[in-house]
Order: sequence, then structure tokens, then C-alpha cells
Amino acid sequence: DAKTTQPTSMDCAEGRAANLPCNHSTISGNEYVYWYRQIHSQGPQYIIHGLKNNETNEMASLIITEDRKSSTLILPHATLRDTAVYYCIVGMDSNYQLIWGAGTKLIIKP
Amino acid sequence: DAGITQSPRHKVTETGTPVTLRCHQTENHRYMYWYRQDPGHGLRLIHYSYGVKDTDKGEVSDGYSVSRSKTEDFLLTLESATSSQTSVYFCAISESLASKETQYFGPGTRLLVL
Repeated sequence: DAKTTQPTSMDCAEGRAANLPCNHSTISGNEYVYWYRQIHSQGPQYIIHGLKNNETNEMASLIITEDRKSSTLILPHATLRDTAVYYCIVGMDSNYQLIWGAGTKLIIKP
Repeated sequence: DAGITQSPRHKVTETGTPVTLRCHQTENHRYMYWYRQDPGHGLRLIHYSYGVKDTDKGEVSDGYSVSRSKTEDFLLTLESATSSQTSVYFCAISESLASKETQYFGPGTRLLVL
């Protein structure tokens, strides 16, 4: 089972920042938080990952709370092309399988 | 985008027919994975490879076999396709053991078994 909890769906206006929360209260000390997204009919896309420090790349920023029990993915200026299901992932099973939850369906509205 | 291609992109076949899906990468990554994605189940790992000729089973390996004779190619074979294998199949790659959770996915193959 997934070690993360995410809202089922969220809306965001185009051009605004999209903030996607994730709870991972049972995260272990050496486990990273990973974010992926899947745009309709495409393969999943890696976005960003972090351990305990905030991270930023060309796609997004990742804010991890000090106790590491939750995190927020921030898309700073959402566009219509950011409409997708966003997955917060913590850990892998013994078969090197990422443990995928249901994700958050983010809809960017014009 | 990572250089990953999958072929074919779409295939319709009949029950009992053998089917081979190909994943090709140009990134020289060590690890390669085959997933299937079905409504209500999300992504499930079928097989993975940790090097040439080195493969292992994932969560849903029954009915599937794989081969990796070159770093760049990972083949998934359905020896005798069944309707339950109708799915979207994704290939993924990752660079090393240390970065195994950072996976780059191909565009997918939609397989319909009639």
C-alpha cells in the first residue's frame, strides 16, 4: 500500500501557483519524497524529489516540512498543459517497484 | 525528455497469439522496467532488468517473459496472449541503483487482446 495520502482532485487557475499537498507521516529517515505526474494518455513523468531540504528545478519546487511528515509540490505558474494526475511517492517495495497511490487530479482552468 | 521509445505503439491481437513489445533507450541507463497500467490498479511492475541478461520478476509477472541482450533494448513477450493482458504497457529506465526511484517512462503501448 502507498505510504502517502493526497487529495483526490484540485483546481487551479491558469497563471496562478498550484500547490499540491501530500501527507507521508510514516516516512522513514532515509526515504526520499518523489513526485511524478501523468498527463492523459502519456507515460508518467518524473518531476522532482527531496529528502529534507526544499528543492527547486525548472519544473517545480518541493517544500518538505521539518518533521518530514508532509510536503507540497508547487507549480509556480500553472498552464493548461499542467493538467494531469500528480503522484507523491515514498519508498519502493522489494521488487524495486515504486509504490503508486491514487494521486491528485489537477485541473488547470483558463 | 529521456530517449525512450516503445514499439509498437498500438497493437490488436487475438487470444493465444504470441506478442513481443520492444523498449529501446539511448541513455545507456542500467535499469529497465516494464509496467502495465489498468483502470483501478494504477501502475504495476511486470519485470525489471538490472543489466544485460539480468532480469527479475515484479508484482504481476505471470504470463510474461522478458529478455535483455543489449543495454539499449528490453523486450516483453506475451507467450500466449489472453484478454486479461489487454492493457497499456509502459517501459521505464533508471540510471543506477542509487537513483532507482528516478525513473523515466516511455510513451506506452496500447495492447488489445480479442
